[in-house]
Formats: sequence, C-alpha cells, structure tokens
Amino acid sequence: GQSLEQPSEVTAVEGAIVQINCTYQTSGFYGLSWYQQHDGGAPTFLSYNGLDGLEETGRFSSFLSRSDSYGYLLLQELQMKDSASYFCAVSLQAGTALIFGKGTTLSVSS
Amino acid sequence: NAGVTQTPKFRILKIGQSMTLQCTQDMNHNYMYWYRQDPGMGLKLIYYSVGAGITDKGEVPNGYNVSRSTTEDFPLRLELAAPSQTSVYFCASSDAGTGWGYTFGSGTRLTVV
Repeated sequence: GQSLEQPSEVTAVEGAIVQINCTYQTSGFYGLSWYQQHDGGAPTFLSYNGLDGLEETGRFSSFLSRSDSYGYLLLQELQMKDSASYFCAVSLQAGTALIFGKGTTLSVSS
Repeated sequence: NAGVTQTPKFRILKIGQSMTLQCTQDMNHNYMYWYRQDPGMGLKLIYYSVGAGITDKGEVPNGYNVSRSTTEDFPLRLELAAPSQTSVYFCASSDAGTGWGYTFGSGTRLTVV
C-alpha cells in the first residue's frame, strides 16, 4: 500500500518559523506537492518538488530528498491567516492522481 | 475565469436515493479527479480521468460512477446512497502546463440520512 506520514498538529506564534515534515512509502515516485486548506474551504496548491532540493515561493519553501523519501514545508514569518491544514501529496507518475497524506493542522497564535 | 465549478454546494439525501454531483472546468485541462474528504482526514481518490472518454477507478470507487463525454465536464453519480457516503466531495483538474498543480472546486457537502 501507499503511505504518507505527517504530524497531525503543529502550533506556533506569529512571526515564527515552522516546518511540517512528510515521509512517504509508495510504489513509485514522480513528485511531492503541498496543499493548504482553510476550514471549510477547498485545498489550494502551494508548491511542487520533482527534484531534490529547495523550492522557494515567498514566505513558503518546500524541500525534497528522494533518497530519504522525505520532504518538508517551511513557513516563515507566520501570520494568523496561515492557520490551516497542510497536506503533502505524492504523484506516482506524471499526470497520475495524487495520493494525499492525512494533513497537519497548523494553529498560529498571537 | 471560473476555474472548477461544482454544484450543488450542499445536499441532503435519504438512504437509497441517487444523485449526480456536477463538475465543470474552463481551463481546458485534460486531467480531472473526484476526491472525498471525511472529517479530519485527507482526501481519498474516487475516480479520475485523463481525457474525454477515459476514466479509471481510484482508491474508493464503490458506490460511485463517472463519465467524461467532454473535456469540460466530469459528473459523479451516486447510486443507492448510504450513510457511509456522507462526506465532502471535491472535484479537481490539472495539466502538464500548470506543473500538475491541482485546481479544486469549492466542494459539495453531502449528508445521507
């Protein structure tokens, strides 16, 4: 079977930096994606890593190590609006459907 | 630019009833997907399509059917609704041109009683 593991909850204060880890065991691997979902809303695409290394998009960065079957999402200068659930997702091949983790709930306090 | 549009947003069904969840995208994406999300859980793939006329099962297809007659539309049919199908249903689309990032619809919240 396919499995993605990420922490269920993370808490942090405004202005801090938080890292959400994701480890995966899958029958194949093409890339790792991250999605944000606010309560009651639709998931929105944050980032994608197909190759090892760091991808930076504003306050958010994502990292992938294919040899370790591991990635993380790094959120800097946290704001209250970053309180949401964050999902890692693996694609087994190009264009195949994503397999999602169970999500990490991030709570940002002032 | 509407993106992915799902209707209805909310629906209550009685056990044994049937319904179709509609999904339309205007981005000319070839790939479309249906996921369900139970409370506090991740998204589970029901069905997906890589183009008009082509569909395939995902992780949890039982009790559902799909069709893809056009690039734009990907309806999900529930036959003989059961309480276990109470969930939030998300439709999404993607394509290579967008780096495979999914665009999701706003979801349909379904309750079966």
